[in-house]
This record gives sequence, C-alpha cells and structure tokens, in this order.
Amino acid sequence: DAGVIQSPRHEVTEMGQEVTLRCKPISGHNSLFWYRQTMMRGLELLIYFNNNVPIDDSGMPEDRFSAKMPNASFSTLKIQPSEPRDSAVYFCASGDSMNTEAFFGQGTRLTVV
Amino acid sequence: AQSVTQLDSHVSVSEGTPVLLRCNYSSSYSPSLFWYVQHPNKGLQLLLKYTSAATLVKGINGFEAEFKKSETSFHLTKPSAHMSDAAEYFCVVTKKAAGNKLTFGGGTRVLVKP
Repeated sequence: DAGVIQSPRHEVTEMGQEVTLRCKPISGHNSLFWYRQTMMRGLELLIYFNNNVPIDDSGMPEDRFSAKMPNASFSTLKIQPSEPRDSAVYFCASGDSMNTEAFFGQGTRLTVV
Repeated sequence: AQSVTQLDSHVSVSEGTPVLLRCNYSSSYSPSLFWYVQHPNKGLQLLLKYTSAATLVKGINGFEAEFKKSETSFHLTKPSAHMSDAAEYFCVVTKKAAGNKLTFGGGTRVLVKP
C-alpha cells in the first residue's frame, strides 16, 4: 500500500484565495483525520470522519474552513478565504476499526502571503 | 476526557548514551498509547503502541516503552542513541470508542551530539 497520500506537498497562495488540500486514505481504513501543525500550537486536530461521516469538527478554527469526505477514498480540506495565519503544515491521517493507531501522510505545507 | 503531558520539550544526549523521553497521560478508561516520531520536514511515523497487552512494548529502531498504570506513565527509552534519532517525538493517547481520536502531547525534540 502506498500509504496516506496528500496533495499538493507545498502550496503558496495569496491572502484571500481559496485553497483546497486533498487526501487519499489507506484503502480499507474507515477513520480519517485532518491535523494542523504550527510552531506555536503544535499538532491540532481539526476534524475527523468515521465511515465518511464527520464525527467531531470542534477543532475547525472558523467558518472559513470546511472539510468533506464524499467517499471512502477521498477527502478535502478547504480554506476560503485564506489568511496568512493559516500558514502551517496540514496532515491527513487514516485508521481502521480493528486497531487504534493512525497512519499519517507526508503533509501539505501551506504558505499564505 | 483524555490528555497527555510530555515532561521535556527538549532533550540533548550524546551518541551512544541512553535516551529517556517522559510521558504522563490522563484517561478515564483503559487507554491505547503510542509514540510517534517526526523527522525534519517529514510526516509522523508510528514507533510503537500499547493496547492493553504486554506492558513493555518494543518498537522500531531499538525503542521501547513501558506502560505503568499506577504512575499513569508511558516513558520511551533507547539504550544507545544514534545520530539518526534526532527528531521530534510525540506521545499520543486514543479512545477507540470515539473513532480512535488521537490526543497528542506537546512533543519532545531530541538533539544527538556526536
């Protein structure tokens, strides 16, 4: 298995633009997580899905952030409009119901200028 | 509610000497506990996990951790540090009943001196 695949790996955008981050979880996994990592705040859970349904989105910072999981093999995290303070590394992770660990993608480094 | 505290934000060791990274957790039920490692500009890799089986858990790259319920601790150790161990390490607790939501500690950055 190729593991969790995130795209793009790097994104540089101007303030006010829409940004879409993509994630393909490991085949067969039914949990999917979006995390944000910054120097100031460390790793923060933004949202997680179980069987494509959002379970907890309390970590989504504000309405500018939205996440979808239209099927078991794809998820998106969208920021509209983007702001410089959204600059961070965004990680996607997936897991299955038989085990408790999660497997992480390589991350998307977002820079908003 | 569950939480994790990593007692050291930075640890510096000499190559060939032991490494100890300390972690305490808080959980109202039997937790699953993990250690993840993150090398610079990389994703997070699972080092080892505890899921209520043996209390001494062995992981990759010579690391091991011991679950001590009485102390609510899950410290990570390695007998002899290698330069490639320089990275950030995260202690994590999770709850299977809640879709395996992971709660991360603040991380410990390890520096290995030659």
